[in-house]
Amino acid sequence: DVKVTQSSRYLVKRTGEKVFLECVQDMDHENMFWYRQDPGLGLRLIYFSYDVKMKEKGDIPEGYSVSREKKERFSLILESASTNQTSMYLCASSFNWAGGYEQFFGPGTRLTVL
Amino acid sequence: QQQVKQSPQSLIVQKGGISIINCAYENTAFDYFPWYQQFPGKGPALLIAIRPDVSEKKEGRFTISFNKSAKQFSLHIMDSQPGDSATYFCAASGDQAGTALIFGKGTTLSVSS
Repeated sequence: DVKVTQSSRYLVKRTGEKVFLECVQDMDHENMFWYRQDPGLGLRLIYFSYDVKMKEKGDIPEGYSVSREKKERFSLILESASTNQTSMYLCASSFNWAGGYEQFFGPGTRLTVL
Repeated sequence: QQQVKQSPQSLIVQKGGISIINCAYENTAFDYFPWYQQFPGKGPALLIAIRPDVSEKKEGRFTISFNKSAKQFSLHIMDSQPGDSATYFCAASGDQAGTALIFGKGTTLSVSS
């Protein structure tokens, strides 16, 4: 079974802190994604990566950056956390760069910024 | 053109009834249409998916109906059960490299017993 794990289920940070969210997948998938989920807004793509050291902006990249130094690991970085970044963050991975392949999601990290 | 519009936002169905969730898209380049199911505290998981070369796909109690000319697709849950209570997301993507899934805003389904 594909497993996507996220480093924390719950995280509380202060405004202005630098925050790292880590995601690891164990199926040798090329593609990895970071989404943000908010009530009434669905899943919004922040960044995705189709190969090591490669990244593409999604719909809402402002205030975020990403890092992919190894194929299995994709990190989301909040350079200076703000209260409007309080949200559920979901990581996903998929086998192929093109669309049309199943994305496997992690359990999510609920981030609260005070 | 990149949006996927999903309705209703929430749905209450009696046990044994039919749940219907609708989605519409505008981008004619989309050719992969999955539905994801998310239970509280979990990440979304693929439920069923369809490509536009067929008008319907059925897996157990779950059916996707696809209308290419209207650019609409829907999820039907037959004999809805309390265990089906979850949030459902439709999505769409193209098949070429460089595309990502575009998700609808989700529908919260509650099946009452």
